[in-house]
Order: sequence, then structure tokens, then C-alpha cells
Amino acid sequence: EADIYQTPRYLVIGTGKKITLECSQTMGHDKMYWYQQDPGMELHLIHYSYGVNSTEKGDLSSESTVSRIRTEHFPLTLESARPSHTSQYLCASSESKGARRAFFGQGTRLTVV
Amino acid sequence: GEDVEQSLFLSVREGDSSVINCTYTDSSSTYLYWYKQEPGAGLQLLTYIFSNMDMKQDQRLTVLLNKKDKHLSLRIADTQTGDSAIYFCAERAGAGSYQLTFGKGTKLSVIP
Repeated sequence: EADIYQTPRYLVIGTGKKITLECSQTMGHDKMYWYQQDPGMELHLIHYSYGVNSTEKGDLSSESTVSRIRTEHFPLTLESARPSHTSQYLCASSESKGARRAFFGQGTRLTVV
Repeated sequence: GEDVEQSLFLSVREGDSSVINCTYTDSSSTYLYWYKQEPGAGLQLLTYIFSNMDMKQDQRLTVLLNKKDKHLSLRIADTQTGDSAIYFCAERAGAGSYQLTFGKGTKLSVIP
């Protein structure tokens, strides 16, 4: 049921590199989200989008940026990775009506060395 | 502001029932959700309940909602080792809201 995909699943990268985490969904959802999950497993909303060409920052300040050029695609970019960016990143999309259920991708585990 | 609280750990024996509790503060919550996260994976939506319901049952899962006390619980009957995971409670506040507020998660350990 949950057709939302994140790539890569795991990424180890050196400090200063530029990276893009990919997120795609085939459910036609307008609403998409990026969460950062800390080692204590708490989820923090860092970006969200309510449609094409619409992006907003979430509750947790993040040095990452996002874009929404197509409905199905919501990539997250770090221009210059740092060890403090090491975390689990989760992408989600949600229905716009009814129960407004949110569905999550499998996550990207990012390690910056 | 919105806040969702959960106990951090729960340990049960295989075959027993598990009850995971959650409290929330926003009285305008419309839907409340339970998610399961296995190690290294994303969040899987288990079930949800509309705020005008008291109970919802789905196979081994029973959700109870006490709106007066702003208390939500998830009962897992006949708990299996495969149920070991972190369970997140989440609320969606207000009819016009699309964002979720999550609890910090309850780690359920099932003892064989």
C-alpha cells in the first residue's frame, strides 16, 4: 500500500561533500515531509511541501534544502555535509482528505565522516 | 502547544497482551495514529482512530481513546516476538492541519 521510496538506504560520505537524498512516491499525494530521527528515536520535522513549487521549513532548523518540481519527487540536499548531519532521514507523504494518513519510506541512514 | 507523551519502554512475555499508552494535550485533535518502526526501517502505519470514536479493533490490535482525559492506548493481543519494535503515537491537530505531532516512541521488547 505504501508506495514511497527513498534512495540510498545507507550513505557514508566525507565532510564537505554535497549530497542529495531522493524520495519518490507513486500515490499522487500533494503533501510530502522530511523528518530527521535522532539516536533517541525522536522524530523532528525539518521540511514539508503542500504541492509543486511549495516548500516550508519545519520545526527543527536544518542546513538542508528541498525542492518540489514534480508531485512525486521531493529530494533533500546538503550542500556541504558535516559530521553533525549524521542521522536517519525519513521521507513521508500524506493523503489530503479523510484520515489524512501519512506513509513513510524506509529511510536513509547518513553517516558523515 | 501540542505535546504527545509515551512511556519509553515496555517488556512483555510472548503470548501475553501488550498495552502501550499515550497522552496528548491538544483537545482539537481530529485523528490519532499508531506507527510501528522496526530496526533500520521507516515507520509503518498500524492503525488510526477518529476523535469521535472510543474504540477501534483490527485483528490483534485494539485502540482505546478517552477524549476527556486525552489518553490513547494500543493493545496488542497474543504478543509475538515479531512485535518487538518501537511504537509511535501521533496526533493530527485541527481539521485544517496536515502535520503530525509524534511521541518519542515506546520500545516494546517481547521475551520468548
